[in-house]
Amino acid sequence: AQKITQTQPGMFVQEKEAVTLDCTYDTSDPSYGLFWYKQPSSGEMIFLIYQGSYDQQNATEGRYSLNFQKARKSANLVISASQLGDSAMYFCAIGSARQLTFGSGTQLTVLP
Amino acid sequence: SAVISQKPSRDICQRGTSLTIQCQVDSQVTMMFWYRQQPGQSLTLIATANQGSEATYESGFVIDKFPISRPNLTFSTLTVSNMSPEDSSIYLCSVAGTSGSDVPPYEQYFGPGTRLTVT
Repeated sequence: AQKITQTQPGMFVQEKEAVTLDCTYDTSDPSYGLFWYKQPSSGEMIFLIYQGSYDQQNATEGRYSLNFQKARKSANLVISASQLGDSAMYFCAIGSARQLTFGSGTQLTVLP
Repeated sequence: SAVISQKPSRDICQRGTSLTIQCQVDSQVTMMFWYRQQPGQSLTLIATANQGSEATYESGFVIDKFPISRPNLTFSTLTVSNMSPEDSSIYLCSVAGTSGSDVPPYEQYFGPGTRLTVT
């Protein structure tokens, strides 16, 4: 079984600053992927970034980077230079393209 | 990435009725999934829609309540049957591909969702 824990139900950040959203996981699978999705108030799920368990380098996509610490079983999302449009719910997920288990989410609010 | 559309985008239905949600993808994909997101909750996988065969349901979800069709590699439907207020949720279709399709093998993309309210 796989489990994702997001301990921050809500986070606030000042515009243009960086913010880290926490995610820890538990799995017995030797190979897995870690995913982050953004869900604005409209309800759609937007894929942000992916990290494979065997990838040596932390994944980066534009302003998003994934701080992957395998020994600690954590996969934190770092958003640099926050924008007002980043205000949304953020979900961490573990698994593969065939099966995803989602965390409870973190509501991020960017303050002007 | 694949472009996914869902119809309807939202609906308000009376209890006891059924609603069929459509999911259309602009490219052929191997895997299609249906998720439910109850108010204030995370996403829960309902089932994997298999092309040409019966869907694979997760624990707690049954075919009689959530019949699913997938006639080809770009289209699927989910029906929410005999609805009750507890079925009020966002229903999301997602897709994933394998090598040779337009979707990278490790990525799962979601449709815009269908917001269902049952009164």
